[in-house]
Amino acid sequence: AQRVTQPEKLLSVFKGAPVELKCNYSYSGSPELFWYVQYSRQRLQLLLRHISRESIKGFTADLNKGETSFHLKKPFAQEEDSAMYYCALRGGGGSNYKLTFGKGTLLTVNP
Amino acid sequence: NAGVMQNPRHLVRRRGQEARLRCSPMKGHSHVYWYRQLPEEGLKFMVYLQKENIIDESGMPKERFSAEFPKEGPSILRIQQVVRGDSAAYFCASSPQGNEDEAFFGQGTRLTVV
Repeated sequence: AQRVTQPEKLLSVFKGAPVELKCNYSYSGSPELFWYVQYSRQRLQLLLRHISRESIKGFTADLNKGETSFHLKKPFAQEEDSAMYYCALRGGGGSNYKLTFGKGTLLTVNP
Repeated sequence: NAGVMQNPRHLVRRRGQEARLRCSPMKGHSHVYWYRQLPEEGLKFMVYLQKENIIDESGMPKERFSAEFPKEGPSILRIQQVVRGDSAAYFCASSPQGNEDEAFFGQGTRLTVV
């Protein structure tokens, strides 16, 4: 069964500090990994996906198959980055539409 | 494009009543997904529908829950005889096609059973 683990429920950093939100997964095939973000009072929105290999709002995430991780990183956090972040996995085969989410990490960036 | 619209945003029901949650997908999207988020948990897949078809309901509880996506109108998630454990946030997402497409989420309906 596929599983996504976000070990930190809460993460607090100061503005300008580096931030890393951890995500580990378990899946037997070749997964597709995503990071979703939910700002206060807004809908869940896609932040980035591993196949794009792009940086969005200064965030990057690298899929490490050896460590089964997909940690989200930003070198200099901003106050507007404060939000709930969810790591998600989408499997292949016959159900490559189904997302499996972690429990989320609430990031607070303090001034 | 207003995005995926869910209503109501908040719904309070007494135990034993019925809850009907509505989801209007983005324009041009014919695939709808429902997810449930229990307190302190991540979103869990419930059901995947296309117009007039249920494609995958493997995440739906066997009893009291049903979903539809008619030819006209929004997708409906229906919970009969609600119990306290049904209290959760219910999210709808839509995509233009299935598989590999980005799914766009609504703001969710927060159901509280009292």
